[in-house]
Amino acid sequence: GENVEQHPSTLSVQEGDSAVIKCTYSDSASNYFPWYKQELGKRPQLIIDIRSNVGEKKDQRIAVTLNKTAKHFSLHITETQPEDSAVYFCAASNNAGNMLTFGGGTRLMVKP
Amino acid sequence: DTAVSQTPKYLVTQMGNDKSIKCEQNLGHDTMYWYKQDSKKFLKIMFSYNNKELIINETVPNRFSPKSPDKAHLNLHINSLELGDSAVYFCASSLWTSGSYEQYFGPGTRLTVT
Repeated sequence: GENVEQHPSTLSVQEGDSAVIKCTYSDSASNYFPWYKQELGKRPQLIIDIRSNVGEKKDQRIAVTLNKTAKHFSLHITETQPEDSAVYFCAASNNAGNMLTFGGGTRLMVKP
Repeated sequence: DTAVSQTPKYLVTQMGNDKSIKCEQNLGHDTMYWYKQDSKKFLKIMFSYNNKELIINETVPNRFSPKSPDKAHLNLHINSLELGDSAVYFCASSLWTSGSYEQYFGPGTRLTVT
């Protein structure tokens, strides 16, 4: 089955700095890679996703890159703000997003 | 206008008891899921139902039995609760036929087994 590893497990940055979270996956058939944000005590919410036919996708301060050859993908957050503080999860799926395998999560802390 | 709702929000019970968690979505989605999030925040899928049919059943003890009476509901019944079942259980839904793979999560049910 699919295995997704995520690093780092915790990340602390100053407000305004950039944050990068990296994930690797094992199943070369995986073709959908979402990122979810989970604030303390809340539900996970999709913030951005990418499919295997695209190498990069951007949405305002958030971008995701995908390297299929190396089987890794990354989340980039620029100009971080305190409200970006949360746990971020990457995931991978080879079944039209149906079977999501999540990474272990990254706790991002943005210091004002 | 809650999209995905779960009841109860908190559930405290003793070992050996049987309990149920209910989930409902009003998004018109055709696929629903149950996830378990343990104390280390690790999220793992348990079950997936598409149009009331079970399509994913991960390695979950058979004490856990999902039931989908219709496309808008997916309930989770747990028999003979154990300490290790303590976790937050999230229901989620998606529209498989839409081309958008986004899963919408419910608010979670925090289960504590004492």
